[in-house]
Amino acid sequence: AQRVTQPEKLLSVFKGAPVELKCNYSYSGSPELFWYVQYSRQRLQLLLRHISRESIKGFTADLNKGETSFHLKKPFAQEEDSAMYYCALGVTGGGNKLTFGTGTQLKVEL
Amino acid sequence: NAGVTQTPKFQVLKTGQSMTLQCAQDMNHEYMSWYRQDPGMGLRLIHYSVGAGITDQGEVPNGYNVSRSTTEDFPLRLLSAAPSQTSVYFCASRPKETQYFGPGTRLLVL
Repeated sequence: AQRVTQPEKLLSVFKGAPVELKCNYSYSGSPELFWYVQYSRQRLQLLLRHISRESIKGFTADLNKGETSFHLKKPFAQEEDSAMYYCALGVTGGGNKLTFGTGTQLKVEL
Repeated sequence: NAGVTQTPKFQVLKTGQSMTLQCAQDMNHEYMSWYRQDPGMGLRLIHYSVGAGITDQGEVPNGYNVSRSTTEDFPLRLLSAAPSQTSVYFCASRPKETQYFGPGTRLLVL
């Protein structure tokens, strides 16, 4: 069975500091990895997906199959980055099923 | 294009009452799903559908029923509400890869 682990419930950084939100997954097949973000009292929205290899709002994430990781990084945190971040794993041929991690609350302090 | 809409936004129920959470999408997506979001547990899949007339169970289906009579609508029914069902419920739809989430329904069961 697939599993997503986000080891940090809360990550607090100062504005301008680098950010790394950790995500590890467990899946024997070919994974699809996503990062979703939820700003306060808003709906979840897609931030990144590994297949597109893009940078959104300064965030990047690289899939490391050897370490089964998909960590989210940003070189300089901004106050507006404060939100809940979820890593999610989609399985090949899994239809609509995504497995989410428990989320990491990022707090950017001034 | 309204995207994914959910009603109601907030609901209070007494134990044993029944209710239906509504979800609709106007993007002609085949895949739709329901998640519940609980602190420290991330998002967990309740039920999902890969098209009209087809539904299947997710990770936590007990106490919930769904149906998919049209492509647009995917209601979630609580037949006999329990305090353990106090949560925030998100509906999502997707064409292929990216999930689009609704704004959520906050449910409190007393």
